[in-house]
Amino acid sequence: KAGVTQTPRYLIKTRGQQVTLSCSPISGHRSVSWYQQTPGQGLQFLFEYFSETQRNKGNFPGRFSGRQFSNSRSEMNVSTLELGDSALYLCASSLAPGANYGYTFGSGTRLTVV
Amino acid sequence: AQKITQTQPGMFVQEKEAVTLDCTYDTSDPSYGLFWYKQPSSGEMIFLIYQGSYDQQNATEGRYSLNFQKARKSANLVISASQLGDSAMYFCAMRATNTGNQFYFGTGTSLTVIP
Repeated sequence: KAGVTQTPRYLIKTRGQQVTLSCSPISGHRSVSWYQQTPGQGLQFLFEYFSETQRNKGNFPGRFSGRQFSNSRSEMNVSTLELGDSALYLCASSLAPGANYGYTFGSGTRLTVV
Repeated sequence: AQKITQTQPGMFVQEKEAVTLDCTYDTSDPSYGLFWYKQPSSGEMIFLIYQGSYDQQNATEGRYSLNFQKARKSANLVISASQLGDSAMYFCAMRATNTGNQFYFGTGTSLTVIP
């Protein structure tokens, strides 16, 4: 079966712009979560969506937002981009939230802000 | 607060040898899951193995096994018979039921398999 699909794979944006990243979960998975990976901060949790509702949010400024659609696809948006937003953004999907559910990650979107 | 510690930034292992990657964790939540992921240079996080906090036996998945010592709060990954394709970053992660189920990741260990 198809894995988690993240688009685009690579993105270059200018400071001050906004960007939207997309994540299509594995078919049947209804939970999607997002993570930011940087060399300095490592992997940090952004937010989790389940059934179109945000269930949990990490410690990121309001410039970072997301949503989930009825088909479980999710998007995250970053407004007013800063150089520090350059990172690999990973999304993960699972059947539902819960510590015993295996999460499958996508290959990520590598965002570069110049 | 949840915390994962990986103290080995880089490790080298000879092909066909076994290697242990260390991971310690800290949580006050009695229900949690411990995970190991492999991240090759392509960026994708590949699930390797899972251990639940109430599991009595250590988890095994093919060449991967997890040495779970609950009292010591350690969850070391053992890779047996290393292969060149095992060269990658390895992350230990934890998710706890009472803290939103988000993953807390360690800083990772870069494993290089030498032919």
